[in-house]
Amino acid sequence: NAGVTQTPKFQVLKTGQSMTLQCAQDMNHEYMSWYRQDPGMGLRLIHYSVGAGITDQGEVPNGYNVSRSTTEDFPLRLLSAAPSQTSVYFCASSYSGGLGANVLTFGAGSRLTVL
Amino acid sequence: AQSVTQLDSQVPVFEEAPVELRCNYSSSVSVYLFWYVQYPNQGLQLLLKYLSGSTLVKGINGFEAEFNKSQTSFHLRKPSVHISDTAEYFCAVSVTRGYQKVTFGTGTKLQVIP
Repeated sequence: NAGVTQTPKFQVLKTGQSMTLQCAQDMNHEYMSWYRQDPGMGLRLIHYSVGAGITDQGEVPNGYNVSRSTTEDFPLRLLSAAPSQTSVYFCASSYSGGLGANVLTFGAGSRLTVL
Repeated sequence: AQSVTQLDSQVPVFEEAPVELRCNYSSSVSVYLFWYVQYPNQGLQLLLKYLSGSTLVKGINGFEAEFNKSQTSFHLRKPSVHISDTAEYFCAVSVTRGYQKVTFGTGTKLQVIP
C-alpha cells in the first residue's frame, strides 16, 4: 500500500503564480484534509473533506481552493501565490466513523517556497 | 471549538532520563486525543491515541499517555529516553461527533542530550 502520496515534494514559485499540490490515498478513507506547518505554529488546518463532493474550510483557508471529485484525490490549489504561503504542506486522511475515525495517516509533505 | 495547548516548545533531557511532555485541551464535548511524532525532515506518524476505555494508553517506542478528564490533560511520558527519541511531538484533539476536524498543538521539540 502506498498510503498517502503527495506531489511535488519541493516547489518554488514566484509571487502571483498558481499551482496545485496533489494528494492521493489508496486506503478508501472518506476523510481527507490539508494542513500547513510553520515554525512555532504547529499544524493548521486549511481545508478538509468528509467525502466526495463535500469540502469545508479549516482555520486558515484564505488563498487556497480544494475540490473532491473522487474518494482517492484531494488537490489543493493556490490561485495566486504569496510569500506568506511559504510553508510545508501535509495531506492527511482517515476513516469516517467508528473507533478508527480521526486517526490520521499523513503524506510525506510538500515544501513550497514563494519568492 | 476544540483547542490544544502545549506549553513547552522545547524540552532538553539527558539520555536515559525520564521525560514528560505536557498537553492540555479544551472542548465542551467528549474528545479523542492523539500524540504524533515528527522526526527531522519527515512526515508525522501516530505515537498513540485515546479513543475510549482505559485512560492509560501505551504507544510505540515505549511512550505512554494518561487521559485526565478533570484536568483536561493528556501528558506524554517515557521512563527512559534514547537519542533516537529526538523529534518534535504534537498533541492533537478531535470531537467524537460531527465533522472530524483534528486540531493540533504547536508542538514540543524533545532534544535528548548524550
